Amino acid sequence: ETGVTQSPTHLIKTRGQQVTLRCSSQSGHNTVSWYQQALGQGPQFIFQYYREEENGRGNFPPRFSGLQFPNYSSELNVNALELDDSALYLCASSAGSTGELFFGEGSRLTVL
Amino acid sequence: AQSVTQLDSQVPVFEEAPVELRCNYSSSVSVYLFWYVQYPNQGLQLLLKYLSGSTLVKGINGFEAEFNKSQTSFHLRKPSVHISDTAEYFCAVIPQSGGYNKLIFGAGTRLAVHP
Repeated sequence: ETGVTQSPTHLIKTRGQQVTLRCSSQSGHNTVSWYQQALGQGPQFIFQYYREEENGRGNFPPRFSGLQFPNYSSELNVNALELDDSALYLCASSAGSTGELFFGEGSRLTVL
Repeated sequence: AQSVTQLDSQVPVFEEAPVELRCNYSSSVSVYLFWYVQYPNQGLQLLLKYLSGSTLVKGINGFEAEFNKSQTSFHLRKPSVHISDTAEYFCAVIPQSGGYNKLIFGAGTRLAVHP
């Protein structure tokens, strides 16, 4: 059984640039959630995708957007990067919406 | 809206000693409760969950937690810790009728186990 994998693991961008993060969900899971974890804080919910549709969103501006593909893999796109976007971005997959999530190891984004 | 407060940011403890990590939550609706663990440079892993039934739940690696509805608490315990338990622990809640995986996490408790 393949777990959740994310790429890239680390990346550095400058303010104003755009970034795309990728996630492959665990086998058999049709739901993907994205979280932002700033240094020293708990993860914060960005949004969730189910069957290629966004079906839940946290308090993040529209420049945070995503996609889910027919194989349930997903992308997180962030436009017009700001310094405060520096964080660990976690992807999690699940087979339902009971909160039992399987997390990847994250993509650490640094914005300079 | 929901919120989660983890009462200790850091907990130092000696190996083989017992430990309790405290978690309180606030919610106007019924919630499911979780503890996740994050080892250095890794993602989060589910330790245990409370969905319904017995208020004492057992998880992986010898951890257990007790749901106390009147005190809105969900404290995590282990009777004897190991060096390998050193990690960041997160308490989280989700509304039972939310329909999607919007977990609300606490700020985390760093457990440091010393020899």
